[in-house]
Amino acid sequence: DTGVSQDPRHKITKRGQNVTFRCDPISEHNRLYWYRQTLGQGPEFLTYFQNEAQLEKSRLLSDRFSAERPKGSFSTLEIQRTEQGDSAMYLCASSLVGRESTGSSTDTQYFGPGTRLTVL
Amino acid sequence: GQNIDQPTEMTATEGAIVQINCTYQTSGFNGLFWYQQHAGEAPTFLSYNVLDGLEEKGRFSSFLSRSKGYSYLLLKELQMKDSASYLCAVRGQSHTGRRALTFGSGTRLQVQP
Repeated sequence: DTGVSQDPRHKITKRGQNVTFRCDPISEHNRLYWYRQTLGQGPEFLTYFQNEAQLEKSRLLSDRFSAERPKGSFSTLEIQRTEQGDSAMYLCASSLVGRESTGSSTDTQYFGPGTRLTVL
Repeated sequence: GQNIDQPTEMTATEGAIVQINCTYQTSGFNGLFWYQQHAGEAPTFLSYNVLDGLEEKGRFSSFLSRSKGYSYLLLKELQMKDSASYLCAVRGQSHTGRRALTFGSGTRLQVQP
């Protein structure tokens, strides 16, 4: 049973550099979510995809952040011109909802191990 | 918007029962989730409630009262490995398009021998 995987697990970068993270969801899961978590806080929603369509973006997602899911499978999250405030754990989650879903399904999100970003 | 409150820390004894409360205020509601998160690891799914009442799953049970905006997670027969953060999360109504979860800050549970 393959869960959600993320790469890299850790990333240290200097302020101003660009970074890209990858998430591979559970096979056949059609929804993919990105969250950010800082120490002592719960995850904060950034954006989510249904298949390849990006359906919602948080106000937390500034212009420096961009996410893609080009083929409806893996996703990438890029942060341009990183700032020290971007230091956090970036979590990816995936879920499966049927085509006929009216939104009443569980739509349980399963999380990956996260990418810990440190901006120096 | 959505606001979720849960205690920051709790301590309990191995073998005992502990109840972790969560209150929420939301403009729409389409389910409440509990996740467990060990330090440095990803959250793992524990339970889901969308209707009022108690859902039981082994040593873990979760209760929901939508009218009161209240839920609790009950852990029985505590084990040392239950020491972790417990996250309460609410999902908004689907017609708003909001499928993402809004998480509380988590309750750090310390189980002592």
